[in-house]
Amino acid sequence: DIQMTQSPSSLSASVGDRVTITCRASPSPKNFVNWYQQKPGEAPKLLVYGASSLQRGVPSRFSGSGSGTDFTLTISGLQPGDFATYYCQQTYTFPQTFGQGTKVGVK
Amino acid sequence: DVQVVESGGGLVQPGGSLRLSCEASGFTFATHWMNWVRQAPGKGLEWVATIKQDASEEYYVDSVKGRFTISRDNAKNTLDLQMNSLRPEDTAVYYCARGPGGYSYEGYYDPWGQGTLVTVSS
Repeated sequence: DIQMTQSPSSLSASVGDRVTITCRASPSPKNFVNWYQQKPGEAPKLLVYGASSLQRGVPSRFSGSGSGTDFTLTISGLQPGDFATYYCQQTYTFPQTFGQGTKVGVK
Repeated sequence: DVQVVESGGGLVQPGGSLRLSCEASGFTFATHWMNWVRQAPGKGLEWVATIKQDASEEYYVDSVKGRFTISRDNAKNTLDLQMNSLRPEDTAVYYCARGPGGYSYEGYYDPWGQGTLVTVSS
């Protein structure tokens, strides 16, 4: 199984901050890594697919990067609607595992 | 609009059964892999099962193998999850999510339904 280890599990930030969330995979899922945003009571929403491709309609302040075993989601200029929980996911092989989530809260 | 809508959740006793359904619209259902993902109360996302376009391949997380069965009806644009021998640890919101089109399952999940809550308790 591919284990996806996300860090940090939570963070506090202010509007306008640059936020970075990391996902470390073991073993490598190639570039089949996706990032989702979930707000309380809502379904997850796709932000980034294929490690670095921005889903249509997602603001450009979101970006994904990485390769091999280390992947990053960056929010450049946090907005009020970005306070949420973020998950990475690998779809290279079954079971298609998720990271444990990173909750971005208000500082 | 491309969307998927789940139904069928509810309260069931341990050892009981429940069948979840997901109705798809706004896209060619028969050309996409389809998935179930669950989320226990206050916990993270857990992949549950995936089915190929023609139902020739099915994949399950170890904890549900032999108890859950994923199926689809491409004529009706519906995805089902038959859950038997339910346990308290199966309590979760169950999401249906569209997977990639094409031959490979490697891709992303989009969109997701709003989820349906399954509670296993006596």
